[in-house]
Amino acid sequence: GAVVSQHPSRVICKSGTSVKIECRSLDFQATTMFWYRQFPKKSLMLMATSNEGSKATYEQGVEKDKFLINHASLTLSTLTVTSAHPEDSSFYICSAYPGTGNTDTQYFGPGTRLTVL
Amino acid sequence: RKEVEQDPGPFNVPEGATVAFNCTYSNSASQSFFWYRQDCRKEPKLLMSVYSSGNEDGRFTAQLNRASQYISLLIRDSKLSDSATYLCVVKGDGNNRKLIWGLGTSLAVNP
Repeated sequence: GAVVSQHPSRVICKSGTSVKIECRSLDFQATTMFWYRQFPKKSLMLMATSNEGSKATYEQGVEKDKFLINHASLTLSTLTVTSAHPEDSSFYICSAYPGTGNTDTQYFGPGTRLTVL
Repeated sequence: RKEVEQDPGPFNVPEGATVAFNCTYSNSASQSFFWYRQDCRKEPKLLMSVYSSGNEDGRFTAQLNRASQYISLLIRDSKLSDSATYLCVVKGDGNNRKLIWGLGTSLAVNP
């Protein structure tokens, strides 16, 4: 099946720094990617929809200036958490839709665990 | 009312037991339905799609009742490896590709 990678898998940073997370579709082109956040014992919460070549669409309550999304190519989307704070510590997961085929099929990356000290 | 509701459990069952999970959704225009499985500290993985006619994959059976806006997952002959959180997921209507996630139901299969 299709493969989506995320990098890094785990990151620990100091409060106030910025962290960039990459999401790559390895064997298909992804016109749409989604970024999710999951807190312990909570469900996945969609943060934003990333479309190649256009601005991301953010969900209500998600600060677009804090969570910068760039979908510069059909295989790469990046999420940058700017000026990270301890409350941003979470599990960040991306998913990708292929440009063709079954539009219901969404492929998930393995996630990035962010800890902000 | 939440868009997708599930009993969070936990469900503790012995090996070999049959266990059923239920899920309700609020948007009657929803088009597609799924069950995902998520292991601790891992990404969710698609278990199966859910169709109106019901579908079965080995020990797993999923059913959809559109009139009641209700989805179910039945696991027969539970294995230790079935221990995980099971997420009910609903896709929006039309061309909306967004997935709406339930909180998940935690299952622990005990020896």
